[in-house]
Amino acid sequence: GAVVSQHPSRVICKSGTSVKIECRSLDFQATTMFWYRQFPKKSLMLMATSNEGSKATYEQGVEKDKFLINHASLTLSTLTVTSAHPEDSSFYICSARDASGGNNEQFFGPGTRLTVL
Amino acid sequence: AQSVTQPDIHITVSEGASLELRCNYSYGATPYLFWYVQSPGQGLQLLLKYFSGDTLVQGIKGFEAEFKRSQSSFNLRKPSVHWSDAAEYFCAVGAGFLYGNKLVFGAGTILRVKS
Repeated sequence: GAVVSQHPSRVICKSGTSVKIECRSLDFQATTMFWYRQFPKKSLMLMATSNEGSKATYEQGVEKDKFLINHASLTLSTLTVTSAHPEDSSFYICSARDASGGNNEQFFGPGTRLTVL
Repeated sequence: AQSVTQPDIHITVSEGASLELRCNYSYGATPYLFWYVQSPGQGLQLLLKYFSGDTLVQGIKGFEAEFKRSQSSFNLRKPSVHWSDAAEYFCAVGAGFLYGNKLVFGAGTILRVKS
């Protein structure tokens, strides 16, 4: 089946530093990847839609200069949290949509736990 | 705009008892519907999905869901719950190509299983 990986699975950083999270589709090509943020005991909030070779589309209220998204290839999208602050601590999950699929299914990565001290 | 409502935040059932998790959606066209399960600190695992056809959908781990267009519902069921089913369950609706193929999630239902 379709597998999506994320790296790292867990990261702790100091306030003011930048953190990069990678999302890879391992056995399929993904023209579209999605980045979600999940607060404790909350549902997933879509942050942005990442399309290969073009700029990401951010949801309302998400700061594009703070959450930089790059989708340079059909199997890799990265989310960089710039100048991270404690309020950015969260669980970040990516998903990927199979380019060959005719349906709306997304395959999810295992998530990255970010803790900003 | 599309939306998903999961009216039950927490549900507790006894091991071996039946389970039904409720999901109602709001969407103007024929929806793509999904149920996902999430264990603590983990990503989402797809339990089942509905795109078209038979309105009773079978999934993994013995789960099934029934799409009822007249009620805008997609409730998840399992005839006999196991302790390992304790997790959080999310219902989601796919918004279609015109909306960027986004998924809209419900707030989730936390399932507790008592022995």
